[in-house]
Amino acid sequence: DADVTQTPRNRITKTGKRIMLECSQTKGHDRMYWYRQDPGLGLRLIYYSFDVKDINKGEISDGYSVSRQAQAKFSLSLESAIPNQTALYFCATSDLVGTQETQYFGPGTRLLVL
Amino acid sequence: DAKTTQPNSMESNEEEPVHLPCNHSTISGTDYIHWYRQLPSQGPEYVIHGLTSNVNNRMASLAIAEDRKSSTLILHRATLRDAAVYYCILRPSGSARQLTFGSGTQLTVLP
Repeated sequence: DADVTQTPRNRITKTGKRIMLECSQTKGHDRMYWYRQDPGLGLRLIYYSFDVKDINKGEISDGYSVSRQAQAKFSLSLESAIPNQTALYFCATSDLVGTQETQYFGPGTRLLVL
Repeated sequence: DAKTTQPNSMESNEEEPVHLPCNHSTISGTDYIHWYRQLPSQGPEYVIHGLTSNVNNRMASLAIAEDRKSSTLILHRATLRDAAVYYCILRPSGSARQLTFGSGTQLTVLP
């Protein structure tokens, strides 16, 4: 079984709808992340969490919110979806060795907002 | 934060070595050099990282210039499965710092 899973894998929604993307991990890591990727571009950080009680904004958090329900679960919500939120969304976890970390990514959720 | 510069694309022949360059002329003394790759339709995966000395693992080798202003990811024998976007990322020392992905190098492996 995959260590980092994302549901759904694909989603089509309409402008103004609220949607939630879910991420679960079995790696036992405290740190979790949400990124988005647009065609031909690298990944941009939306939100991250260092433990269950910690939530931090990334570089593009506007229009998004997150919930860290447990160590293993980190959800991303779009309160009112808009077309420019159409993108590929990745969840990641990381472990920290000294001051450096290695991130482990899920398979991604492809979101289309009409 | 220091910036990295990579070629947009590179080609390699199967079973030949590949050297993927990365320039980071403004690197600070505490920045680690990380490499990730993203296979088609998948999330990125960690490849290797280093600070000053060259590093080897089962996937690749990382050669770091003596002045640390550039580095090279070396795939010793490219396979078709190595076709991916390769990201060179600088991560400052310190547990609270994040990875910042650029646009990377698209590697095409020719049979």
